[in-house]
Amino acid sequence: KQEVTQIPAALSVPEGENLVLNCSFTDSAIYNLQWFRQDPGKGLTSLLLIQSSQREQTSGRLNASLDKSSGRSTLYIAASQPGDSATYLCAVRGDSSYKLIFGSGTRLLVRP
Amino acid sequence: IAGITQAPTSQILAAGRRMTLRCTQDMRHNAMYWYRQDLGLGLRLIHYSNTAGTTGKGEVPDGYSVSRANTDDFPLTLASAVPSQTSVYFCASSKTSGSVGELFFGEGSRLTVL
Repeated sequence: KQEVTQIPAALSVPEGENLVLNCSFTDSAIYNLQWFRQDPGKGLTSLLLIQSSQREQTSGRLNASLDKSSGRSTLYIAASQPGDSATYLCAVRGDSSYKLIFGSGTRLLVRP
Repeated sequence: IAGITQAPTSQILAAGRRMTLRCTQDMRHNAMYWYRQDLGLGLRLIHYSNTAGTTGKGEVPDGYSVSRANTDDFPLTLASAVPSQTSVYFCASSKTSGSVGELFFGEGSRLTVL
């Protein structure tokens, strides 16, 4: 059974800092991995989608990497801003599976 | 703006009442999903639909039903609500139910069952 873990559960950093959020999964047979952002009381916004054949994806200040063999993905946020404060979730789509398995998220606070 | 629309945004409901949460997407996505999000339990899949006319059960389907009469709409019905169904419900869609599809979410429906 696929399990997705995100560490740390919460993170507080000063503005301008570069940071890394971690996501690990137990079954390396995945089709893709997706990173989301969720603001309080809001839905999930897709940030990056990495297919199993890819090693990384970039969008602006965000860079996500994928290492299937070790069951890990990282989300790198460069030059963090207070507006980046939110909960970040990763989710994996398994082999021949219709559903995404979600991690419990990392709650990020970027202090001005 | 293209996307997923959910209604109602929030609702307080007496136990035993019937409730339908509505979800409409205008992206012509094949697959649609209903998730519930609970503190400490994360997001859990309730039901899904790979294409119009077909539905399937997710992790926590008991007490819920869905229908998919057309591509755009995917309502979730609670036949007789119970307090444990108090949650935030999210509808999502993807272009394909296969390996490639990126998942997009609605803004959620907050349901309180008293």
